Amino acid sequence: AQSVTQPDIHITVSEGASLELRCNYSYGATPYLFWYVQSPGQGLQLLLKYFSGDTLVQGIKGFEAEFKRSQSSFNLRKPSVHWSDAAEYFCAVGERNAGNMLTFGGGTRLMVKP
Amino acid sequence: DTGVSQNPRHKITKRGQNVTFRCDPISEHNRLYWYRQTLGQGPEFLTYFQNEAQLEKSRLLSDRFSAERPKGSFSTLEIQRTEQGDSAMYLCASSLSMGRRAAGNTIYFGEGSWLTVV
Repeated sequence: AQSVTQPDIHITVSEGASLELRCNYSYGATPYLFWYVQSPGQGLQLLLKYFSGDTLVQGIKGFEAEFKRSQSSFNLRKPSVHWSDAAEYFCAVGERNAGNMLTFGGGTRLMVKP
Repeated sequence: DTGVSQNPRHKITKRGQNVTFRCDPISEHNRLYWYRQTLGQGPEFLTYFQNEAQLEKSRLLSDRFSAERPKGSFSTLEIQRTEQGDSAMYLCASSLSMGRRAAGNTIYFGEGSWLTVV
């Protein structure tokens, strides 16, 4: 069965600083990979996704992520964080052969200092 | 608003009571998913429908839980004889996919229905 690990439960960065959120997955084949963001009490918004092709994917709000097969990782990055980026971020892996069911990591809560 | 809509947004119920949540997916989306999310955790898959057919159920979906999508449009999730451990946010999502094999289409989530069992 697939699994997703987000090693950092909380991260605090200063506004304007760069950001990297870590995600490691376990999956027997080439996965579909996703990053979602969730504001308090709200649903999930898709930031970006990887299916195939270029391993560096661009998303909304200036985010990007890089798929590294050798490291089983899909880390999320942003060069300059804005205060509005404070939220919970979830990495997820999707099954290619069954219904797009997603397995999520435990999430990383991002706090932004002024 | 043409996003995924969930009702009610919040529900407080006494232990042992039944509750039902409704989800209206994005129009024309043929796949509909239910997830559960507890505080401080990521969402966990419960079940999904392709049109009106329920194709997968997680082992998390005990016999007290039942989901339906009778006409392939809206869906309901009923929890019978609620327990305190059922307190969570129930997320509905939908996507447009062709065939049973995943085409990797984007899954859109609703804002969730919070359940508190007291």
